[in-house]
Amino acid sequence: DTGVSQNPRHKITKRGQNVTFRCDPISEHNRLYWYRQTLGQGPEFLTYFQNEAQLEKSRLLSDRFSAERPKGSFSTLEIQRTEQGDSAMYLCASSLVRPTDNSPLHFGNGTRLTVT
Amino acid sequence: GENVEQHPSTLSVQEGDSAVIKCTYSDSASNYFPWYKQELGKRPQLIIDIRSNVGEKKDQRIAVTLNKTAKHFSLHITETQPEDSAVYFCAASSPTFFGNEKLTFGTGTRLTIIP
Repeated sequence: DTGVSQNPRHKITKRGQNVTFRCDPISEHNRLYWYRQTLGQGPEFLTYFQNEAQLEKSRLLSDRFSAERPKGSFSTLEIQRTEQGDSAMYLCASSLVRPTDNSPLHFGNGTRLTVT
Repeated sequence: GENVEQHPSTLSVQEGDSAVIKCTYSDSASNYFPWYKQELGKRPQLIIDIRSNVGEKKDQRIAVTLNKTAKHFSLHITETQPEDSAVYFCAASSPTFFGNEKLTFGTGTRLTIIP
């Protein structure tokens, strides 16, 4: 499968612990996005990268959240001092952006975070 | 920022009938409107998209229409089948120097096809 890959699929953690998720985009895609989805809602934008540059961060992304894409390939999303309200599905997506047109976003299967 | 509203939140139709889901957007600069289908426990998957330079696009049983003046777009599924049961999300994005930016999603429509 050459689609977007996310690890782990599930993560259960205790409140106050730190967690880190990984996303491997489709190899030729230069754009990488992180979204969060709670039950019964659409995906909410968190942040995105163009190659290794982080171009925008949502107001939803508090100081406890940090994302990196150090070599312009895979990305990590870290949540420090987790809270119960952080429980959600964290989706990664990638696309190829070119001057003349953009490919659609392709999503991964997500990492489901449960904070107890 | 962009705001996308989606209706209805749930929709049940008899197998073989048509289903229509509607979305409105707020940013008149938005020019790309995809629709995603998400089955339970799975990733959102693109089923059709439309750009603002066209008013309608069709792919077999699925069609999308766009009214730029009214800032609304709709998904039409004809001859519905049980495998069409899923949650459908509309989305919108606007262009910048870097290309189309983030997608803003609607809240989803849970479509149930009744055999």
